[in-house]
Amino acid sequence: EAAVTQSPRSKVAVTGGKVTLSCHQTNNHDYMYWYRQDTGHGLRLIHYSYVADSTEKGDIPDGYKASRPSQENFSLILELASLSQTAVYFCASSDLGGRYAEQFFGPGTRLTVL
Amino acid sequence: QQQVRQSPQSLTVWEGETAILNCSYEDSTFDYFPWYWQFPRESPALLIAIRPVSNKKEDGRFTIFFNKREKKLSLHITDSQPGDSATYFCAASGRQGGRALIFGTGTTVSVSP
Repeated sequence: EAAVTQSPRSKVAVTGGKVTLSCHQTNNHDYMYWYRQDTGHGLRLIHYSYVADSTEKGDIPDGYKASRPSQENFSLILELASLSQTAVYFCASSDLGGRYAEQFFGPGTRLTVL
Repeated sequence: QQQVRQSPQSLTVWEGETAILNCSYEDSTFDYFPWYWQFPRESPALLIAIRPVSNKKEDGRFTIFFNKREKKLSLHITDSQPGDSATYFCAASGRQGGRALIFGTGTTVSVSP
């Protein structure tokens, strides 16, 4: 079974500060994703990556950057955190190769921006 | 624009009853429809999935019914158990966007013993 871990599990940040959320997967998956979850909105895609050193914008990329330094690691960076970025952030990975495949989610990071 | 819509927002059933969750989508190029369930303070996990080549997919007490012409699908939970109490998300993906999932807003199911 895929193992996706996230750190930190929770964080309190100040408005205007920089926040980095990290994701690590150990199953050799090519695709990795960052979603955010807000009450009443389900999960929405922020960024994704299908290969190291390359990232792609998702549906709501404004205010976020992503970094994929290796196949195993995928980070989400908030350069200037804002109140509206308070949410739960989930990382996911998938082994697609052009096929349908399950996305495996990490445990999530609960971010509170004050 | 919400590409994947779910109804109802919440649903309460008695133990043993059948819960029916509805989902509709906009994009006719979507070709994979997973349902995820999520328990409080946990991450979503895949429950069951269907592709448009089929109009029904069954896994134990969980069944997806799919209507490609109307762009609608539903999840039926038969013989509902208290352990089925969770939020259920309908999702969809296509060949674009790295096969990222487009999620609906979820249906919260409560099963009363």
